[in-house]
Amino acid sequence: KNEVEQSPQNLTAQEGEFITINCSYSVGISALHWLQQHPGGGIVSLFMLSSGKKKHGRLIATINIQEKHSSLHITASHPRDSAVYICAATSGGYNKLIFGAGTRLAVHP
Amino acid sequence: ETGVTQSPTHLIKTRGQQVTLRCSSQSGHNTVSWYQQALGQGPQFIFQYYREEENGRGNFPPRFSGLQFPNYSSELNVNALELDDSALYLCASSRQERGEKLFFGSGTQLSVL
Repeated sequence: KNEVEQSPQNLTAQEGEFITINCSYSVGISALHWLQQHPGGGIVSLFMLSSGKKKHGRLIATINIQEKHSSLHITASHPRDSAVYICAATSGGYNKLIFGAGTRLAVHP
Repeated sequence: ETGVTQSPTHLIKTRGQQVTLRCSSQSGHNTVSWYQQALGQGPQFIFQYYREEENGRGNFPPRFSGLQFPNYSSELNVNALELDDSALYLCASSRQERGEKLFFGSGTQLSVL
Protein backbone atom coordinates (compact mmCIF):
# COMPACT_ATOMS: atom_id res chain seq x y z
CA LYS A 1 0.00 0.00 0.00
CA ASN A 2 1.34 3.42 -0.98
CA GLU A 3 1.75 6.04 1.70
CA VAL A 4 -0.32 8.50 -0.36
CA GLU A 5 -3.32 7.18 -2.25
CA GLN A 6 -5.50 9.09 -4.68
CA SER A 7 -8.83 8.37 -6.25
CA PRO A 8 -10.05 8.18 -8.87
CA GLN A 9 -7.13 7.38 -11.20
CA ASN A 10 -8.99 8.74 -14.20
CA LEU A 11 -11.90 11.14 -14.34
CA THR A 12 -13.93 12.39 -17.29
CA ALA A 13 -16.35 15.27 -16.87
CA GLN A 14 -18.53 17.54 -18.95
CA GLU A 15 -17.84 21.24 -18.90
CA GLY A 16 -19.55 22.88 -15.94
CA GLU A 17 -19.57 19.82 -13.68
CA PHE A 18 -18.38 19.87 -10.07
CA ILE A 19 -15.34 17.65 -9.62
CA THR A 20 -13.87 16.05 -6.53
CA ILE A 21 -10.52 14.28 -6.27
CA ASN A 22 -9.68 12.47 -3.06
CA CYS A 23 -6.39 11.82 -1.30
CA SER A 24 -5.67 9.73 1.78
CA TYR A 25 -2.34 9.26 3.48
CA SER A 26 -0.94 6.93 6.08
CA VAL A 27 2.14 8.84 7.27
CA GLY A 28 2.49 11.73 9.65
CA ILE A 29 2.66 14.89 7.61
CA SER A 30 3.59 18.51 8.11
CA ALA A 31 1.72 19.64 5.00
CA LEU A 32 -0.36 18.33 2.11
CA HIS A 33 0.18 19.68 -1.39
CA TRP A 34 -2.09 19.67 -4.39
CA LEU A 35 -0.22 19.97 -7.68
CA GLN A 36 -1.26 20.22 -11.32
CA GLN A 37 0.79 18.66 -14.10
CA HIS A 38 0.12 19.39 -17.76
CA PRO A 39 1.35 17.30 -20.72
CA GLY A 40 5.02 18.07 -21.21
CA GLY A 41 5.76 17.75 -17.53
CA GLY A 42 5.61 21.15 -15.83
CA ILE A 43 4.17 20.99 -12.32
CA VAL A 44 2.33 23.88 -10.73
CA SER A 45 1.68 24.01 -7.01
CA LEU A 46 -2.02 24.74 -6.41
CA PHE A 47 -2.28 24.52 -2.64
CA MET A 48 -0.25 23.72 0.42
CA LEU A 49 -2.43 22.81 3.42
CA SER A 50 -1.76 21.87 6.99
CA SER A 51 -5.34 22.29 8.25
CA GLY A 52 -8.81 23.42 7.22
CA LYS A 53 -9.65 24.70 3.80
CA LYS A 54 -8.19 26.94 1.10
CA LYS A 55 -9.85 28.46 -1.96
CA HIS A 56 -8.37 29.96 -5.09
CA GLY A 57 -10.76 30.88 -7.87
CA ARG A 58 -12.75 27.78 -8.79
CA LEU A 59 -10.46 25.48 -6.82
CA ILE A 60 -11.06 24.46 -3.22
CA ALA A 61 -8.85 22.19 -1.14
CA THR A 62 -9.77 20.72 2.23
CA ILE A 63 -7.93 18.57 4.70
CA ASN A 64 -9.08 16.53 7.70
CA ILE A 65 -6.01 15.79 9.81
CA GLN A 66 -7.79 13.32 12.11
CA GLU A 67 -9.03 11.25 9.18
CA LYS A 68 -5.81 11.72 7.16
CA HIS A 69 -7.81 12.75 4.14
CA SER A 70 -7.81 15.66 1.73
CA SER A 71 -10.00 16.62 -1.20
CA LEU A 72 -9.57 18.91 -4.18
CA HIS A 73 -12.75 20.34 -5.64
CA ILE A 74 -13.16 22.11 -8.96
CA THR A 75 -16.36 24.07 -9.42
CA ALA A 76 -17.76 24.86 -12.88
CA SER A 77 -15.10 22.74 -14.60
CA HIS A 78 -13.67 23.88 -17.92
CA PRO A 79 -11.69 22.05 -20.64
CA ARG A 80 -8.59 24.01 -19.65
CA ASP A 81 -8.75 22.22 -16.27
CA SER A 82 -7.78 19.01 -18.08
CA ALA A 83 -4.51 17.87 -16.51
CA VAL A 84 -3.09 15.41 -14.01
CA TYR A 85 -3.76 16.42 -10.41
CA ILE A 86 -1.33 15.11 -7.86
CA CYS A 87 -1.59 14.99 -4.10
CA ALA A 88 1.72 14.98 -2.23
CA ALA A 89 2.58 14.90 1.46
CA THR A 90 5.50 16.58 3.16
CA SER A 91 6.87 14.23 5.77
CA GLY A 92 10.03 14.54 7.77
CA GLY A 93 12.20 17.48 8.60
CA TYR A 94 12.64 18.77 5.10
CA ASN A 95 10.69 19.28 1.89
CA LYS A 96 10.61 15.64 0.84
CA LEU A 97 7.33 15.13 -1.00
CA ILE A 98 5.67 11.73 -1.08
CA PHE A 99 3.53 11.74 -4.20
CA GLY A 100 0.29 10.03 -5.00
CA ALA A 101 -0.03 8.42 -8.41
CA GLY A 102 -2.13 11.29 -9.76
CA THR A 103 -5.63 11.69 -11.13
CA ARG A 104 -5.92 12.24 -14.87
CA LEU A 105 -8.81 14.65 -15.47
CA ALA A 106 -10.37 15.26 -18.88
CA VAL A 107 -13.08 17.90 -19.16
CA HIS A 108 -15.03 17.84 -22.41
CA PRO A 109 -16.94 20.81 -23.88
CA GLU B 1 5.89 30.83 -14.92
CA THR B 2 7.57 29.64 -11.71
CA GLY B 3 10.99 31.26 -12.10
CA VAL B 4 12.66 27.84 -11.87
CA THR B 5 14.52 26.88 -15.02
CA GLN B 6 16.00 23.53 -15.94
CA SER B 7 18.44 22.62 -18.68
CA PRO B 8 18.58 20.88 -20.99
CA THR B 9 14.92 20.17 -21.72
CA HIS B 10 15.67 16.89 -23.48
CA LEU B 11 18.71 14.63 -23.47
CA ILE B 12 19.62 11.30 -25.02
CA LYS B 13 22.44 9.21 -23.56
CA THR B 14 23.63 5.65 -23.86
CA ARG B 15 23.97 3.10 -21.09
CA GLY B 16 27.12 3.58 -18.99
CA GLN B 17 27.48 7.27 -19.74
CA GLN B 18 27.33 10.10 -17.23
CA VAL B 19 24.90 13.03 -17.28
CA THR B 20 24.60 16.41 -15.56
CA LEU B 21 21.27 18.19 -15.27
CA ARG B 22 20.99 21.79 -14.15
CA CYS B 23 18.45 23.82 -12.21
CA SER B 24 18.27 27.53 -11.50
CA SER B 25 16.18 28.34 -8.46
CA GLN B 26 13.67 31.09 -8.13
CA SER B 27 15.24 34.25 -6.73
CA GLY B 28 15.40 34.19 -2.93
CA HIS B 29 15.06 30.42 -2.67
CA ASN B 30 17.82 28.59 -0.81
CA THR B 31 16.47 25.05 -1.04
CA VAL B 32 16.37 22.75 -4.06
CA SER B 33 14.92 19.26 -4.27
CA TRP B 34 15.17 16.82 -7.17
CA TYR B 35 12.60 14.26 -8.30
CA GLN B 36 12.54 11.43 -10.83
CA GLN B 37 9.28 10.74 -12.66
CA ALA B 38 9.08 7.58 -14.72
CA LEU B 39 6.46 7.44 -17.46
CA GLY B 40 2.95 7.07 -16.04
CA GLN B 41 4.08 7.29 -12.42
CA GLY B 42 4.25 9.93 -9.73
CA PRO B 43 7.56 11.66 -9.01
CA GLN B 44 9.99 10.05 -6.56
CA PHE B 45 12.15 12.16 -4.25
CA ILE B 46 15.88 11.89 -5.01
CA PHE B 47 17.42 14.41 -2.59
CA GLN B 48 17.27 17.95 -1.26
CA TYR B 49 19.96 20.59 -0.90
CA TYR B 50 19.76 23.41 1.62
CA ARG B 51 22.45 26.08 1.71
CA GLU B 52 24.84 23.93 -0.34
CA GLU B 53 24.49 20.81 1.83
CA GLU B 54 22.50 17.67 1.12
CA ASN B 55 19.98 17.43 3.96
CA GLY B 56 17.65 14.66 2.80
CA ARG B 57 17.82 11.71 0.43
CA GLY B 58 15.37 9.20 -1.01
CA ASN B 59 16.01 5.59 -2.05
CA PHE B 60 18.44 6.27 -4.86
CA PRO B 61 21.93 4.73 -5.22
CA PRO B 62 25.12 6.76 -4.73
CA ARG B 63 25.60 7.13 -8.49
CA PHE B 64 22.92 9.84 -8.15
CA SER B 65 24.71 12.84 -6.69
CA GLY B 66 24.21 16.55 -6.60
CA LEU B 67 25.63 19.95 -5.90
CA GLN B 68 24.22 23.27 -4.85
CA PHE B 69 26.19 26.43 -5.58
CA PRO B 70 26.48 29.67 -3.58
CA ASN B 71 23.85 31.26 -5.84
CA TYR B 72 21.60 28.28 -4.88
CA SER B 73 21.47 26.85 -8.40
CA SER B 74 21.90 23.10 -8.45
CA GLU B 75 23.14 20.15 -10.47
CA LEU B 76 22.04 16.53 -10.52
CA ASN B 77 24.71 14.09 -11.69
CA VAL B 78 24.02 10.50 -12.63
CA ASN B 79 26.93 8.15 -13.29
CA ALA B 80 26.91 4.76 -15.06
CA LEU B 81 23.52 5.38 -16.63
CA GLU B 82 21.10 2.47 -16.79
CA LEU B 83 18.10 2.03 -19.06
CA ASP B 84 15.76 2.46 -16.06
CA ASP B 85 17.16 5.94 -15.49
CA SER B 86 15.06 7.10 -18.45
CA ALA B 87 12.58 9.52 -16.89
CA LEU B 88 11.56 13.12 -16.45
CA TYR B 89 13.80 14.80 -13.86
CA LEU B 90 12.18 17.68 -11.99
CA CYS B 91 13.70 20.18 -9.64
CA ALA B 92 11.78 22.32 -7.20
CA SER B 93 12.92 25.28 -5.16
CA SER B 94 11.58 26.84 -1.99
CA ARG B 95 12.48 29.63 0.41
CA GLN B 96 13.33 27.34 3.29
CA GLU B 97 14.16 23.74 3.97
CA ARG B 98 10.70 22.91 5.32
CA GLY B 99 7.14 24.06 5.43
CA GLU B 100 7.22 26.10 2.26
CA LYS B 101 5.42 25.94 -1.05
CA LEU B 102 7.55 24.40 -3.79
CA PHE B 103 8.06 25.90 -7.22
CA PHE B 104 8.83 23.37 -9.94
CA GLY B 105 10.81 23.62 -13.14
CA SER B 106 9.51 22.12 -16.38
CA GLY B 107 11.86 19.19 -16.15
CA THR B 108 14.55 17.46 -18.19
CA GLN B 109 13.43 14.44 -20.19
CA LEU B 110 16.31 11.94 -20.14
CA SER B 111 16.31 8.95 -22.48
CA VAL B 112 18.93 6.24 -21.97
CA LEU B 113 19.42 3.94 -24.95
